[in-house]
Amino acid sequence: QKEVEQDPGPLSVPEGAIVSLNCTYSNSAFQYFMWYRQYSRKGPELLMYTYSSGNKEDGRFTAQVDKSSKYISLFIRDSQPSDSATYLCAMSVRAAGNKLTFGGGTRVLVKP
Amino acid sequence: GAVVSQHPSWVICKSGTSVKIECRSLDFQATTMFWYRQFPKQSLMLMATSNEGSKATYEQGVEKDKFLINHASLTLSTLTVTSAHPEDSSFYICSARSGGRDEQFFGPGTRLTVL
Repeated sequence: QKEVEQDPGPLSVPEGAIVSLNCTYSNSAFQYFMWYRQYSRKGPELLMYTYSSGNKEDGRFTAQVDKSSKYISLFIRDSQPSDSATYLCAMSVRAAGNKLTFGGGTRVLVKP
Repeated sequence: GAVVSQHPSWVICKSGTSVKIECRSLDFQATTMFWYRQFPKQSLMLMATSNEGSKATYEQGVEKDKFLINHASLTLSTLTVTSAHPEDSSFYICSARSGGRDEQFFGPGTRLTVL
């Protein structure tokens, strides 16, 4: 079993819909949780960073962390075709040098 | 802020030659830089971690003599693929973090093709 599980998709939604992404993890030591967006042939772009259970909102993005369930989510409101990309969750432990453990990524397609 | 650049963005080389890839943090001091490789439709695989002024720490299975990493300053790390072979063809991505932050910021990646 992988440390971080993420549904590969693809997830296809109509423009304007809410995109819902999630990851589960097995290592309770993870302290920091990140969501990255990666377009084809580009480096990942940091979207959200959280370190505590609860919700964090930034524009159209909301990140949720539930440490008791070892479950994190990312919601994208009012999705646009430009949101079509692969979304990667990542987690780290400071004591381990902040090395990131990635989920496999979910491919999202927002159709106009 | 938190911009990381890589150079070159793509490179094609002949088998047996060496290739150097640069990673720079443009607007912050990167105490730690990470090097990843990514194969098509796969997630990122960490190759090594480098702290400024120290030797890099390589992940299991990564040949340190083949993938030479130098982190000589707080804004520059280099990855040299020595005696490249076609199986080294991949997308190489660096990331950087400053001492005061836990997030990593990624460069745009370098596509290496070895003929």
